[in-house]
Amino acid sequence: AQTVTQSQPEMSVQEAETVTLSCTYDTSESDYYLFWYKQPPSRQMILVIRQEAYKQQNATENRFSVNFQKAAKSFSLKISDSQLGDAAMYFCARGGSRLTFGEGTQLTVNP
Amino acid sequence: GAVVSQHPSWVICKSGTSVKIECRSLDFQATTMFWYRQFPKQSLMLMATSNEGSKATYEQGVEKDKFLINHASLTLSTLTVTSAHPEDSSFYICSARGGGKSNQPQHFGDGTRLSIL
Repeated sequence: AQTVTQSQPEMSVQEAETVTLSCTYDTSESDYYLFWYKQPPSRQMILVIRQEAYKQQNATENRFSVNFQKAAKSFSLKISDSQLGDAAMYFCARGGSRLTFGEGTQLTVNP
Repeated sequence: GAVVSQHPSWVICKSGTSVKIECRSLDFQATTMFWYRQFPKQSLMLMATSNEGSKATYEQGVEKDKFLINHASLTLSTLTVTSAHPEDSSFYICSARGGGKSNQPQHFGDGTRLSIL
């Protein structure tokens, strides 16, 4: 089975600080895509950032950036200058024809 | 852009009834739509994938006759939970992807909370 693993069920960070969420995955494909989605209490799934596996450069979207280590099959998300609105469940996902989600990391942001 | 509307957002019904959930892509054509189920504090579980004009592909363990999926147009897919029972109570989320490339992200609806009494 091709899996996605998020080893941190819960994380917390102080407002304005930086936090990194971990994700590892397994795949036999050479061409695939990686995503981080955010699910706040409203339960809406919001795309945070995506990375194409053939690209070596790490993706960045404002305060959100990834550390993509293809050989290690690692895809961590760094949130800088954390804000209260960042509090949510974060899901890492590996995509191809379909998405495979990790189990999620619940992020708490403390004021 | 890339807005997906899912309706209803919450439904409560009696055991034995059928419930239809709609998923619409409002500003793009959704070549592929996906239906997920999510239990509290758990991840999303893919139920089925549907391509416009084709029969849905169901994941292993998902009953085709229980969860009927129709994707008759490029902007609408429906999930019908037939003869619903309390164990079908869950949060159901649809997503839609435009274009033919799998690198395109899936855009999600807001979900439907289904409660069967």
